[in-house]
Amino acid sequence: DQQVKQNSPSLSVQEGRISILNCDYTNSMFDYFLWYKKYPAEGPTFLISISSIKDKNEDGRFTVFLNKSAKHLSLHIVPSQPGDSAVYFCAASGSGYSTLTFGKGTMLLVSP
Amino acid sequence: DAGVIQSPRHEVTEMGQEVTLRCKPISGHDYLFWYRQTMMRGLELLIYFNNNVPIDDSGMPEDRFSAKMPNASFSTLKIQPSEPRDSAVYFCASSLRTSGNREQFFGPGTRLTVL
Repeated sequence: DQQVKQNSPSLSVQEGRISILNCDYTNSMFDYFLWYKKYPAEGPTFLISISSIKDKNEDGRFTVFLNKSAKHLSLHIVPSQPGDSAVYFCAASGSGYSTLTFGKGTMLLVSP
Repeated sequence: DAGVIQSPRHEVTEMGQEVTLRCKPISGHDYLFWYRQTMMRGLELLIYFNNNVPIDDSGMPEDRFSAKMPNASFSTLKIQPSEPRDSAVYFCASSLRTSGNREQFFGPGTRLTVL
């Protein structure tokens, strides 16, 4: 049973436009969420995170939104750049310090 | 900092052989995680250690898999005997409990192919 779901395996966006990656979770005990970015032949790298006490966190071109009632979060990239082309993983963590549960990832392709 | 170091980067072996994957976490980190990534199952946690002690190995698929952390700077994941279905990318990650943001730092991974 997948506790963290990324229902879109892939997303194509034109350079300069907004990319929106979505993630849903089922476990109401999750209270911290992270996005990771992964290039081929590399390990995932941390991008941005959000605590459940917030509904938005912004870092440069990246913004994560959290809707706790819907158990949904999204990552917005504005403007999208070709270098953003990668696989994006959503991850969730329970209360306190614990392990991360990952979604299966969404491959983003930003075309010039 | 050198980041998390994994070796080898690629491993090709034949079914039935023993495979040992190695990981050096970031110095000072107190948690170490082993993950496996496959197309079907995505990124799944196999086992994790806190201060060199295994905390949860419920993700280890079978008794053929074992992991050790003899000291704070080294961990191994061993598969014996290996099978074709073990083919995957194996990642090691480390983190620091007091960092607050629960971020885990990943190594580059080991791509394992079992023929």
